[in-house]
Amino acid sequence: NAGVTQTPKFRVLKTGQSMTLLCAQDMNHEYMYWYRQDPGMGLRLIHYSVGEGTTAKGEVPDGYNVSRLKKQNFLLGLESAAPSQTSVYFCASIPGQGYNQPQHFGDGTRLSIL
Amino acid sequence: AQSVAQPEDQVNVAEGNPLTVKCTYSVSGNPYLFWYVQYPNRGLQFLLKYITGDNLVKGSYGFEAEFNKSQTSFHLKKPSALVSDSALYFCAVTVAGGYQKVTFGTGTKLQVIP
Repeated sequence: NAGVTQTPKFRVLKTGQSMTLLCAQDMNHEYMYWYRQDPGMGLRLIHYSVGEGTTAKGEVPDGYNVSRLKKQNFLLGLESAAPSQTSVYFCASIPGQGYNQPQHFGDGTRLSIL
Repeated sequence: AQSVAQPEDQVNVAEGNPLTVKCTYSVSGNPYLFWYVQYPNRGLQFLLKYITGDNLVKGSYGFEAEFNKSQTSFHLKKPSALVSDSALYFCAVTVAGGYQKVTFGTGTKLQVIP
């Protein structure tokens, strides 16, 4: 079982460039999440999805878009990257209605915006 | 709004000594509490959770945590620290229902000194 897989692992972008981060899970989980981790700030929720074809905004959604066309995949897009988006991005998933279940995390994508 | 506080950015403890990593929370309703550990360049890994029942919860790698409703705390403990326990620890809280919005603390770096 791979669990939650994030690609790419590292990326350097120039300001204004666009890119898509991919999260794939093989656990048939309903809920998926995108977080960013910054020093001293913990994890902040960007967007989340409660099922295929649904997405919703989290705490810090500005500058990001998401899509969940397939249940196992959750994509995070940066349309015009800014230096403030330099961060480590984590994807996580849980079973549906699994509010008492721990989240399963990928190993992150380290993104630098120059 | 729910919140989590981890008052210590770093905790240093000698190998073999007991360790405590502090966490306090604020929610409306009954909390579901989690501890996660993060090793360098990895995603968060689940350690233990409190949902209901016994206030002392046992988890992975010999860790345990005590839920204290009156003090709204959920401190992580281990009787005898190992050097390999050195990592970043996150406390998290959620409540039942909705989309399981999980709020994470800012993290505490645990350094176990040989």
